[in-house]
Amino acid sequence: DSGVTQTPKHLITATGQRVTLRCSPRSGDLSVYWYQQSLDQGLQFLIQYYNGEERAKGNILERFSAQQFPDLHSELNLSSLELGDSALYFCASSRSFNEQFFGPGTRLTVL
Amino acid sequence: DAKTTQPNSMESNEEEPVHLPCNHSTISGTDYIHWYRQLPSQGPEYVIHGLTSNVNNRMASLAIAEDRKSSTLILHRATLRDAAVYYCILRDMGNYQLIWGAGTKLIIKP
Repeated sequence: DSGVTQTPKHLITATGQRVTLRCSPRSGDLSVYWYQQSLDQGLQFLIQYYNGEERAKGNILERFSAQQFPDLHSELNLSSLELGDSALYFCASSRSFNEQFFGPGTRLTVL
Repeated sequence: DAKTTQPNSMESNEEEPVHLPCNHSTISGTDYIHWYRQLPSQGPEYVIHGLTSNVNNRMASLAIAEDRKSSTLILHRATLRDAAVYYCILRDMGNYQLIWGAGTKLIIKP
């Protein structure tokens, strides 16, 4: 158990809909990262927050947005969903450069 | 971003050492070498990282070539639980971002 929690575990929705994925980092970790992993692919970095501020952006679509709240939990909002957005979405947290701790992921299926 | 090249898959026998290679010929002087692994149906987990010197921890050893253009992750005695995809990643010093490649799928034969 990494100490990072993600909810929900599974999400099934339709094209055009909007969903929110939630992540609670390990206690004391100020950084939160979001990644997307499509079927049998490596991880694509989406975005990083540090203590409530956006720190780095990767290949995040304009339809996607994220935020980190004062209690350090983070939410990833995905809107106008398309079939190609079906993937595993991982959240990770860290307190240093050296090691990121990953949650179990949210599996999103867009029908 | 500097890139890494890894074999798509490797097989090894249980209880034998495993050497997972990674090429990173365009590595810069400020790039750290990180290894993560992803077990089936799980999130990735950190394995080890290094800059210039070889590194050991309870999970594995990391051997870094003198010119830093390649590295090898060594699992000293593989078990069936080590079957996973292993990712070799370069991270620029002072930057939290990890840029992931396709990784090596390690298959452990009993």
